[in-house]
Amino acid sequence: GAGVSQSPSNKVTEKGKDVELRCDPISGHTALYWYRQSLGQGLEFLIYFQGNSAPDKSGLPSDRFSAERTGGSVSTLTIQRTQQEDSAVYLCASSFRDKGEAFFGQGTRLTVV
Amino acid sequence: QKEVEQNSGPLSVPEGAIASLNCTYSDRGSQSFFWYRQYSGKSPELIMFIYSNGDKEDGRFTAQLNKASQYVSLLIRDSQPSDSATYLCAVNDSNYQLIWGAGTKLIIKP
Repeated sequence: GAGVSQSPSNKVTEKGKDVELRCDPISGHTALYWYRQSLGQGLEFLIYFQGNSAPDKSGLPSDRFSAERTGGSVSTLTIQRTQQEDSAVYLCASSFRDKGEAFFGQGTRLTVV
Repeated sequence: QKEVEQNSGPLSVPEGAIASLNCTYSDRGSQSFFWYRQYSGKSPELIMFIYSNGDKEDGRFTAQLNKASQYVSLLIRDSQPSDSATYLCAVNDSNYQLIWGAGTKLIIKP
């Protein structure tokens, strides 16, 4: 596709349920980022994938959060046993490694009730 | 700890004036520098990037880089109300990973 695509756009889930968020990066982009952004706050780094290198998972807030990237393309962020504090917009971005300019998807707004 | 610092603002500028946004970074190995604009409720969008010391102009926007001082800035000339947004500075580290500032909220007053 022409840009980074995220799905779903909105997700409402009950506390304690698991959710999966999907990101389709721009074709050919080797780097993929996940961020979380709460209302009025800055970007909170979650995880960084770069080609075949081991991902940088240093931003994942707890072991309830995990992410994978299959075939160097599509990525899935999974949140297990969701809590109300997980409510936020989850943003995905991708870039070419050497250029570094990142392009963002439209985000997934997660609401845990 | 690699850091990118920005004044959170809000920075209030009269319409038609020059808005000046500043950013400092800690990693001397950084090679690429980016400015993003984020409207409320929207995703960040890239507006400028700069790789070399000096100025880079694109329309009403000018990015300035001073690697010796570890300083990057964004100037917006003839500011318009539509420029009101949060401006995010991002810097890539030696692993090409982007490090982000917290953003400066800019308000252009008609």
